Amino acid sequence: DAKTTQPTSMDCAEGRAANLPCNHSTISGNEYVYWYRQIHSQGPQYIIHGLKNNETNEMASLIITEDRKSSTLILPHATLRDTAVYYCIVRVGGNQGGKLIFGQGTELSVKP
Amino acid sequence: DGGITQSPKYLFRKEGQNVTLSCEQNLNHDAMYWYRQDPGQGLRLIYYSQIVNDFQKGDIAEGYSVSREKKESFPLTVTSAQKNPTAFYLCASSSFSNDGYTFGSGTRLTVV
Repeated sequence: DAKTTQPTSMDCAEGRAANLPCNHSTISGNEYVYWYRQIHSQGPQYIIHGLKNNETNEMASLIITEDRKSSTLILPHATLRDTAVYYCIVRVGGNQGGKLIFGQGTELSVKP
Repeated sequence: DGGITQSPKYLFRKEGQNVTLSCEQNLNHDAMYWYRQDPGQGLRLIYYSQIVNDFQKGDIAEGYSVSREKKESFPLTVTSAQKNPTAFYLCASSSFSNDGYTFGSGTRLTVV
C-alpha cells in the first residue's frame, strides 16, 4: 500500500495562501491522491482528489508533480475556519471502491 | 438531503457490555466503512463492506463485529473482547467511483 508523509504541523496567516505538502513516492499508476480535513471532534470532510493533472474546486487546488511522487494542497485565502487536521491519502485498490488509509495528517493553524 | 447518520452522538457503557453503534446512509452508496480515532491520532480502519452481506476486516478488527444486511445500514458492535473500546468512532460510505468518502459525524464511546 502506498504511504504518505506529511509535516506534523504548519501555521498560516489569515488571508494568505496555505500550501500543504505531501510525499507519496511509492504511489502506483492507478492510485489517486485524496485530501480530507477534520475539524476537531467532527467527521472528516472531502476536499479534492486527483490522478495526474492539477485540480481546482471551490475549496482548494491540488498540484501533483509530473512524477506523481508528491503533491501540494493549496488553500488560496486561508480563514480561521480552515484550522483543522489535513490528511493526504492515496486510495488503495485504484478507483474501484478502494479503502482509504489515513496517516497522522498535518495540523494547520490559521492565525489572525 | 442525502447523508450519513450515526447515532447516538455520545454513548456510555459499563466495562464488559457489548454495545452497537448505528450507521445509516441514504446516498445509495455501495461501500461502507468503520474507523476508530483515538485522541491526537489519525483514523484506523476497523471493518469495511463493499456489498450487502459481505464485509472485510480492516487493520484493527479484533473485538469488533459488523453486519451488512441492507445497503443502507452498517452497524458496528463493540464486544467485551475489545481491550480498550473508549474512542471516537466514524462511519463512512462511498460509491464505486473516484468520488470521495462521505463521513458521519461520529459516535464518542466511553466505557467506564
